[in-house]
Amino acid sequence: GQQLNQSPQSMFIQEGEDVSMNCTSSSIFNTWLWYKQDPGEGPVLLIALYKAGELTSNGRLTAQFGITRKDSFLNISASIPSDVGIYFCAGGSGTSYGKLTFGQGTILTVHP
Amino acid sequence: DVKVTQSSRYLVKRTGEKVFLECVQDMDHENMFWYRQDPGLGLRLIYFSYDVKMKEKGDIPEGYSVSREKKERFSLILESASTNQTSMYLCASSPGRGSGNTIYFGEGSWLTVV
Repeated sequence: GQQLNQSPQSMFIQEGEDVSMNCTSSSIFNTWLWYKQDPGEGPVLLIALYKAGELTSNGRLTAQFGITRKDSFLNISASIPSDVGIYFCAGGSGTSYGKLTFGQGTILTVHP
Repeated sequence: DVKVTQSSRYLVKRTGEKVFLECVQDMDHENMFWYRQDPGLGLRLIYFSYDVKMKEKGDIPEGYSVSREKKERFSLILESASTNQTSMYLCASSPGRGSGNTIYFGEGSWLTVV
């Protein structure tokens, strides 16, 4: 099945640094979602975006739904060690019974 | 909060065994999904269901079947487990059509087939 192009694949940063990751697609989506997965656990929803151009924050996290509806980014400000994990983007077309297309994930490592 | 519960976190099964992975959601969601997650391959959809007794194949249905007899419960069945089915399995649910595509995941089931 189709997958989104998520970058970077991995990041090694120092505590306190800001982080930015993004997803692009050749297809238009009506929904963009960002998930975080801790080691050995299921993905947890961080931010959901439902409108082109929408900018939404959740604490230190900020995500935007691209105006072309083909991309989205996630920023994390002032990273802390518990930000470690895998971050996934996902796009939804609004049809197909809620199926999502997922990115391959960005592995984030934060050094204290 | 949405709660998706997978009955078994860790299982070890023998090749050829029949394996059942159970999932229950408590938010009256219409849609339920089974994914498997493998390093380097991301999340791959096995099957999904949009209503009781209804099911649709995902991207990798071979070797699997599903059952949805009640709205809140979605089971994944490995008819004859093989070593290449060793993986992490994730159940998920989402509201019905028109409610957005937000999917909520369970905590995952780690299956090892020996």
